[in-house]
Amino acid sequence: ETGVTQSPTHLIKTRGQQVTLRCSSQSGHNTVSWYQQALGQGPQFIFQYYREEENGRGNFPPRFSGLQFPNYSSELNVNALELDDSALYLCASSGGGSGKQETQYFGPGTRLLVL
Amino acid sequence: GEDVEQSLFLSVREGDSSVINCTYTDSSSTYLYWYKQEPGAGLQLLTYIFSNMDMKQDQRLTVLLNKKDKHLSLRIADTQTGDSAIYFCAERDNRLAFGKGNQVVVIP
Repeated sequence: ETGVTQSPTHLIKTRGQQVTLRCSSQSGHNTVSWYQQALGQGPQFIFQYYREEENGRGNFPPRFSGLQFPNYSSELNVNALELDDSALYLCASSGGGSGKQETQYFGPGTRLLVL
Repeated sequence: GEDVEQSLFLSVREGDSSVINCTYTDSSSTYLYWYKQEPGAGLQLLTYIFSNMDMKQDQRLTVLLNKKDKHLSLRIADTQTGDSAIYFCAERDNRLAFGKGNQVVVIP
């Protein structure tokens, strides 16, 4: 059984650019959640995808968008990058049911630096 | 404001017990979680407790839940140098809400 993987591991962008981060969920999981973790803070929920549909969203602007594919892998897209978007982006997968009340398993994260 | 509150720093000698505390707000959470984060790494699920339980023991880990005060604690027995990390408690089942974390430093 493979765990949650994310790519790339590190990324440097400049303000105004766009970025796409990728996540492969754990085998058998159909739900992917994305979190942003700023330095020294706990992770903040961005959104969740269940069977290719958005299934809840946190307090993030529309320039944060996502996709989930039929194989349950997922992308997080951020447009018009701002300096404050610099953070560790974590993907977590869960599954086996409705997408609710299932333990989430995290990937290693993608560290994004916006200059 | 923060949904989940944690104190920030704890140092403990190797072999001693360490206790990390957390308060939460959402009484509808079915489970409450403890995650561990080592430097430069993602979050590792340590343990969780079902909201109708008061205590859960898992090897060196003991979780205590006080629903009345919305207080959660994690006790690590026989703390080892590999336990040095940041520990997060989290509530809510669908969209986890985390505290700022407790940094635990184990002194050999």
